[in-house]
Amino acid sequence: LAKTTQPISMDSYEGQEVNITCSHNNIATNDYITWYQQFPSQGPRFIIQGYKTKVTNEVASLFIPADRKSSTLSLPRVSLSDTAVYYCLVASGSWGKLQFGAGTQVVVTP
Amino acid sequence: NAGVMQNPRHLVRRRGQEARLRCSPMKGHSHVYWYRQLPEEGLKFMVYLQKENIIDESGMPKERFSAEFPKEGPSILRIQQVVRGDSAAYFCASSPPVAGGSYEQYFGPGTRLTVT
Repeated sequence: LAKTTQPISMDSYEGQEVNITCSHNNIATNDYITWYQQFPSQGPRFIIQGYKTKVTNEVASLFIPADRKSSTLSLPRVSLSDTAVYYCLVASGSWGKLQFGAGTQVVVTP
Repeated sequence: NAGVMQNPRHLVRRRGQEARLRCSPMKGHSHVYWYRQLPEEGLKFMVYLQKENIIDESGMPKERFSAEFPKEGPSILRIQQVVRGDSAAYFCASSPPVAGGSYEQYFGPGTRLTVT
C-alpha cells in the first residue's frame, strides 16, 4: 500500500476554503485515493474518492494531477463543524484494508 | 437504515480479564473490518471478515486476540487476558458485498476499552 504524507495541522477561519494536499509518490496503477474525516470520539466518515482528474460531491472536491503522485482535498467555505482530522488514504481497488496515517488536524475558528 | 452499531460503547476491564466487543454491520453489508486507535494515533487495521470467514488478519496480534463473524449475529472481537497496552478505541466498519472488500467503509462509534 502506498505511503502518504500530509500536513499535521491546518488552521482556517469560517467561510474560507481549505485545501489539504497529500503526497503519495509510490501510488500504483490500480490504487484509488480516498479521504476520510474523523470527529473526536467518533469513527471516521468517508468523504470522497477518486482515481484521476477531479471529483466533486456535496461535501468536497478532490483534485488529482496527471501523475497521481499527489492529491488535494478542497473543502469550500468551511464552518466550525468542519473541525476534524482528515485522512488521506491510498488503497488498491481490490482490497478493503485501509491504512490510516496520522491525518491532518483542521481547526476552524470564527 | 441504522448505521453500524457497536457495543458496549465503553468497557472497563482489569488486567487478566477478557474483553468482548460486538459489532452489528449495516443492513445488507456482509464485510466487516476491525481497527484499533491508540490515543493520539491514527487507526490501525486489525482484521477483515466476511460471513463465517476471516479474509485478512494481518493486523491482529498473534496472541490473545481473535475475531469472528458468524452466519447469524454480530461480529465479535475478543481479547483474552487484557493488559494495559490494550487500552484503546476499537472501531468496526462494514461495507457492501463488493468482491474483495471496499475502501468506502462505514464506521461505527467505537468501543473504548480501558484496562485498569
